[in-house]
Amino acid sequence: DSGVTQTPKHLITATGQRVTLRCSPRSGDLSVYWYQQSLDQGLQFLIQYYNGEERAKGNILERFSAQQFPDLHSELNLSSLELGDSALYFCASSPRPRGRGSGAKSPLHFGNGTRLTVT
Amino acid sequence: GEDVEQSLFLSVREGDSSVINCTYTDSSSTYLYWYKQEPGAGLQLLTYIFSNMDMKQDQRLTVLLNKKDKHLSLRIADTQTGDSAIYFCAETAVRRGGSQGNLIFGKGTKLSVKP
Repeated sequence: DSGVTQTPKHLITATGQRVTLRCSPRSGDLSVYWYQQSLDQGLQFLIQYYNGEERAKGNILERFSAQQFPDLHSELNLSSLELGDSALYFCASSPRPRGRGSGAKSPLHFGNGTRLTVT
Repeated sequence: GEDVEQSLFLSVREGDSSVINCTYTDSSSTYLYWYKQEPGAGLQLLTYIFSNMDMKQDQRLTVLLNKKDKHLSLRIADTQTGDSAIYFCAETAVRRGGSQGNLIFGKGTKLSVKP
């Protein structure tokens, strides 16, 4: 058990709808990362938060947004859903922002993911 | 190349050694990682290696790093059926667009272990 909790485990919804995925990081971790895993694209970094503030953005669509709350949990909001948004969405956490000079060895610990199916 | 590359499939017999190879992109990556994903589960960190090391051994796992060729490998000794999973190589993404330390993953190597 990585200590990162994601809910729900599975989500089935229709095109055009909006969903919210939730992540609780490991105790003490301040950084949260969101990744999307699909068969054709592999694991794609979406966005990172550190202590409530956005730190980095990856391949995140404008229809998607995220936030990190004062209690450090994070939510990923996906709107105007399309069939192609069906994927596994992973949250990961680490103690601090990772970079060359600041604890780059601090690995990411992943949750078990939310499987989103858009029909 | 722009991507972290791995072969997609590897099949071995139980008891044999498995070697999973990876080519990464950024010679300035400080740490390189191996993650394991079992069916229906998240990614589990297996091991990582600091870029000034050539080799790291951890029980049945051996990581070899060739910085000149940007080549990373994971050797699993005495492979068991429970090792069947997808193995991901990952590098830090510091050089890409200034993002601070998220990981760039390969597409994963699916290891099948036959009894």
